[in-house]
Amino acid sequence: GAGVSQSPRYKVAKRGQDVALRCDPISGHVSLFWYQQALGQGPEFLTYFQNEAQLDKSGLPSDRFFAERPEGSVSTLKIQRTQQEDSAVYLCASSSGSGFQETQYFGPGTRLLVL
Amino acid sequence: KQEVTQIPAALSVPEGENLVLNCSFTDSAIYNLQWFRQDPGKGLTSLLLIQSSQREQTSGRLNASLDKSSGRSTLYIAASQPGDSATYLCAVRPIQGAQKLVFGQGTRLTINP
Repeated sequence: GAGVSQSPRYKVAKRGQDVALRCDPISGHVSLFWYQQALGQGPEFLTYFQNEAQLDKSGLPSDRFFAERPEGSVSTLKIQRTQQEDSAVYLCASSSGSGFQETQYFGPGTRLLVL
Repeated sequence: KQEVTQIPAALSVPEGENLVLNCSFTDSAIYNLQWFRQDPGKGLTSLLLIQSSQREQTSGRLNASLDKSSGRSTLYIAASQPGDSATYLCAVRPIQGAQKLVFGQGTRLTINP
């Protein structure tokens, strides 16, 4: 009964480096979400996948942010040329279907610190 | 644009007290509202999900109410325990852009033994 897992749990990057954050959703879950949580704030939506299709990327803050889910399971959030303002916890969530009534199950997050 | 506000930002109470956390949202066009708990360094755990047609949901010592027309929800915690210490977040699922959750900034709750 594994839940949503994310790796790495912590990442320190120098400004300008590229980083890749991984999310393993609950097996069989159709929908996958990425959120960004700044210190002391609630999570903010970044992007949404239904299977392998990225249906909403309206929350991605810049073109340095890119997400993919090529086989409809594991997803990767990539941040190019990291900046200090990218420091945050990146949360992944999944839900079993695509309905609007369903609960999203969250992973533990990846804490990114950009120096 | 939907905005969610939680008051207070932090709350500290002695063990055993009943308490209420507040959440307000600006647009009543929502599918549902969800309360989450977040422990330090951990992800979010869903506590209660209230559909827009419902008025309240209960789970153990927790009771959440929803007044969609006034844009308010409350989370009532009965007989608080030190293990209830965490940050509590509410989130709405708006009808427009329904795949995303819109979160408040959270209430950091401390229960003192």
